[in-house]
Amino acid sequence: DTGVSQDPRHKITKRGQNVTFRCDPISEHNRLYWYRQTLGQGPEFLTYFQNEAQLEKSRLLSDRFSAERPKGSFSTLEIQRTEQGDSAMYLCASSLSGDLLNYGYTFGSGTRLTVV
Amino acid sequence: DAKTTQPNSMESNEEEPVHLPCNHSTISGTDYIHWYRQLPSQGPEYVIHGLTSNVNNRMASLAIAEDRKSSTLILHRATLRDAAVYYCILRGSNAGGTSYGKLTFGQGTILTVHP
Repeated sequence: DTGVSQDPRHKITKRGQNVTFRCDPISEHNRLYWYRQTLGQGPEFLTYFQNEAQLEKSRLLSDRFSAERPKGSFSTLEIQRTEQGDSAMYLCASSLSGDLLNYGYTFGSGTRLTVV
Repeated sequence: DAKTTQPNSMESNEEEPVHLPCNHSTISGTDYIHWYRQLPSQGPEYVIHGLTSNVNNRMASLAIAEDRKSSTLILHRATLRDAAVYYCILRGSNAGGTSYGKLTFGQGTILTVHP
């Protein structure tokens, strides 16, 4: 297993366009998380899934954002009608539930979105 | 989520020990203390976690105060590759011992290592 994979690594889009990012978690991990990180700030939680169920969504996740994990494996994060304020690094992570004894989250390298 | 407080930045010389402090005075009895680090242009990376006792692993040591209101991440011999942002995070758990879903990151401590 090569860890958490995110695609694409970089995305430049024009304001108003829709974008979709993909995350492939570690195969045996049942939890998957999306975070957003802007320059100089720590990652901000957006949403997480346990298997295919979306268990929590942040207030940061406006109605232009939608995330899916249809088969409990990979996940997609879509941003509709992008705005310049959406420019950020979008990070995906995975973990096992019931995991106090494990080694925490494994993060991907992120997708850097630039809205021009 | 209980809050943590860390210095904005710290500096160290290569091959010297580094002690990164974290205050968490409102920690609850079921909160675990987690440390992650983020190297430039990468996602955060798990470093270590603990509940009450000091912990050691191949990356670092975690020293937890007896009252659990503070902790210190110890890098025994800093290398240039340890230059990163270090995050101290409290992670809650329920009575059954299962962790809550999300980690809440603060701004962390920027560690600079000088050759």
